[in-house]
Amino acid sequence: RKEVEQDPGPFNVPEGATVAFNCTYSNSASQSFFWYRQDCRKEPKLLMSVYSSGNEDGRFTAQLNRASQYISLLIRDSKLSDSATYLCVVKVNPGFQKLVFGTGTRLLVSP
Amino acid sequence: DAEITQSPRHKITETGRQVTLACHQTWNHNNMFWYRQDLGHGLRLIHYSYGVQDTNKGEVSDGYSVSRSNTEDLPLTLESAASSQTSVYFCASSGPGAGATDTQYFGPGTRLTVL
Repeated sequence: RKEVEQDPGPFNVPEGATVAFNCTYSNSASQSFFWYRQDCRKEPKLLMSVYSSGNEDGRFTAQLNRASQYISLLIRDSKLSDSATYLCVVKVNPGFQKLVFGTGTRLLVSP
Repeated sequence: DAEITQSPRHKITETGRQVTLACHQTWNHNNMFWYRQDLGHGLRLIHYSYGVQDTNKGEVSDGYSVSRSNTEDLPLTLESAASSQTSVYFCASSGPGAGATDTQYFGPGTRLTVL
């Protein structure tokens, strides 16, 4: 079983739609959680960190469910520019900087 | 502005040749990482360093080596390139000096083809 699992998609949605991605992680000792965004043939960039209490950044909302070991990302009012691959990322060991990346969920927003 | 750069951006080489990919960051970060990205596997950690003279193996380190002689650079060497090492390579850095400790900042990537 992979340490971090995501639905590869693609998720095809029209502009203005709301879309949600889930990600599951296998190590219950995981400490920190993130969503990164990767555009085609570009480097990954941090979208947002995920906190236990949930957090929101504009149209983006991230949630963490430690009991069920999953992380979610909700995008409201999708824009064409949201088309990208979204990587779920987990930091397993406290005090160490190593991150474990999911394979990503591809989002395509159409006019 | 602080940044992280990689060179070359594209490289074609032949099986058996030694290849070195450069990574340079001006964030003054202690931590630096090398990943490879392949379809179906996501980003996989090759080697990482927590400071000068420190290097550690990641999950896919066979056939690769790194050295850290200063804070800014972590070159990745393929000792004898193999076709299985055809991939996109990303360098990243994190740590005190800029932003949150956990945030990794990635370079633009090097696309390597081994024929």
